[in-house]
Amino acid sequence: SQQGEEDPQALSIQEGENATMNCSYKTSINNLQWYRQNSGRGLVHLILIRSNEREKHSGRLRVTLDTSKKSSSLLITASRAADTASYFCATSKGNTGKLIFGQGTTLQVKP
Amino acid sequence: EAQVTQNPRYLITVTGKKLTVTCSQNMNHEYMSWYRQDPGLGLRQIYYSMNVEVTDKGDVPEGYKVSRKEKRNFPLILESPSPNQTSLYFCASSSQLVGSSGRSDTQYFGPGTRLTVL
Repeated sequence: SQQGEEDPQALSIQEGENATMNCSYKTSINNLQWYRQNSGRGLVHLILIRSNEREKHSGRLRVTLDTSKKSSSLLITASRAADTASYFCATSKGNTGKLIFGQGTTLQVKP
Repeated sequence: EAQVTQNPRYLITVTGKKLTVTCSQNMNHEYMSWYRQDPGLGLRQIYYSMNVEVTDKGDVPEGYKVSRKEKRNFPLILESPSPNQTSLYFCASSSQLVGSSGRSDTQYFGPGTRLTVL
């Protein structure tokens, strides 16, 4: 079963606004990662935050991790139409290499 | 260029006709995995391999086979495809090296194979 659950399932905003997506998970993790998927294409890794980190930035992306609440959020600032895609969180635990993916949030940024 | 390639990208076939989807990576990654993606069900892992000759079932292995004879290749075999295997399939790979910050397990995905079984 999927460990990650994402919220909201779909999000529609205007260009220039910020987009926030949330991810919750159930067990302890090594790290949590966010991926992006353009329609019908392969997932692309965006950012990784380790279990001992609380916040991480990469360009217009800001990720937070709250291990006590088992949740993470991805903030995309100053969104662009090109940010339109589905965004997935994925958790890594143990040493098998396996990632557990959430169901994803579909983001639409209107020009 | 570091990449994961899959072939074919699109395939329409009929029930029962054996098929193989190839996957190859050029990053010397130990870990490789196959996923299927269906609307409303997200990404589900079919099989994975932690290294050559080491494979294991994922969450939805029924109806699929894999092999890992070489480090770079991880083909997905459907011996007798059925319509419920119509889906979008992704291969992915990752390094199992543990760096100074710990494990990463960041996966690199292929472009996908859209399979339709009639």
